[in-house]
Amino acid sequence: QVQLVQSGAEVKKPGASVKVSCKASGYTFSSNYINWVRQAPGQGLEWMGIINPSGGGTTYAQRFLGRVTMSIDTSTSTVYMELSSLRSADTAVYFCARDSGGWNRHFDSWGQGTLVTVSS
Amino acid sequence: EIVLTQSPGTLSLSPGERATLSCRASRSVDSSYLSWYQQKPGQAPRLLIFGASNRATGIPDRFSGSGSGTDFTLSISRLEPEDFAIYYCQRYGSAKYSFGQGTKLEIK
Repeated sequence: QVQLVQSGAEVKKPGASVKVSCKASGYTFSSNYINWVRQAPGQGLEWMGIINPSGGGTTYAQRFLGRVTMSIDTSTSTVYMELSSLRSADTAVYFCARDSGGWNRHFDSWGQGTLVTVSS
Repeated sequence: EIVLTQSPGTLSLSPGERATLSCRASRSVDSSYLSWYQQKPGQAPRLLIFGASNRATGIPDRFSGSGSGTDFTLSISRLEPEDFAIYYCQRYGSAKYSFGQGTKLEIK
């Protein structure tokens, strides 16, 4: 079955960077794009961007341009999301989610989430 | 940019009742790209409905989606205790995704 397993919780200081991983299994890694979504405490879902595991092409949400980098390691079927210049407002749970592709687009499988806490 | 607005913000109902959740888009959207998710505390969201009206695998038939253009609806015919959660609509368009702000379905 499809599984997305994310790395563990992180605590970072303001101004630092964080890199979260998402290891995929149970399907052909290159066949489906991977999205990143974050959720601040008590808040809704916010889409951050998408990466194509076949070639590494990315599209980022406007508000994260210049601060987010998504990358892949095909040898381990792992996707990474790095967010730089962290501030307290970046404290959130970060999710990876598999894109269905095809004639309609949605997220058909999610990672368990990674809590990133930004605090001095 | 198309904005999704969900209503109500909170819906208080009892088990066995029918729930109707709304998702309104600021401009017309392709219904093929409208989805609904359920999220419970401490969990990742779970796909319920895709393409506005198609139930995802394993989703009970008490969940149904409908709508087109700018108005979409998620209905739950007879609420079970496990249905009390937060529900989000989502749209794909112009190579980007966006979510509504969510509707919290709570036990009355």
